[in-house]
Amino acid sequence: DSGVTQTPKHLITATGQRVTLRCSPRSGDLSVYWYQQSLDQGLQFLIQYYNGEERAKGNILERFSAQQFPDLHSELNLSSLELGDSALYFCASSVLSSYNEQFFGPGTRLTVL
Amino acid sequence: KNEVEQSPQNLTAQEGEFITINCSYSVGISALHWLQQHPGGGIVSLFMLSSGKKKHGRLIATINIQEKHSSLHITASHPRDSAVYICAPDSGGGADGLTFGKGTHLIIQP
Repeated sequence: DSGVTQTPKHLITATGQRVTLRCSPRSGDLSVYWYQQSLDQGLQFLIQYYNGEERAKGNILERFSAQQFPDLHSELNLSSLELGDSALYFCASSVLSSYNEQFFGPGTRLTVL
Repeated sequence: KNEVEQSPQNLTAQEGEFITINCSYSVGISALHWLQQHPGGGIVSLFMLSSGKKKHGRLIATINIQEKHSSLHITASHPRDSAVYICAPDSGGGADGLTFGKGTHLIIQP
């Protein structure tokens, strides 16, 4: 158990819908990272927050947004969902903003029908 | 963008064998992560290293920053080592964050 929690574990929804994925980092960790893992693209970095502020942005679509709240939990919002958004979404946390070990949550499996 | 090559893509070995997984990347970095993904999907961080060698139990990771190459070794492999091993160069933030290799699917047969 990494200490990082993600909810929900599974999510099934329809195209065009909007969903919110939630991540609670390990106690004391200030950084939260979001990653997408799909069968064709593998693991991809989406976005990082550090102590409430956006720190780095990767391959995140405009239909996706994220935020980190004062209690350091983070939410990833996915809207206008398409079939291709079906994937495993992981969050990870770390103490520092860069160059340190990341601890991964169990992931949320999103299925868009 | 950092191009990451892992080899081999698939590896089946017998219990007890010494395993080596290689990772090469194209852009200079300051650190590299090795991750393990279990069949159930969970990801565990094995190592983060920026130079030399690190050892944890039967796992050893090495990195040569100048040659842009890292290796993960497993000694006395065991069926429970069966997993996907992923290397991830770390650019320290900016547009790239972690860039991931496609992974090495390792199966250790008893």
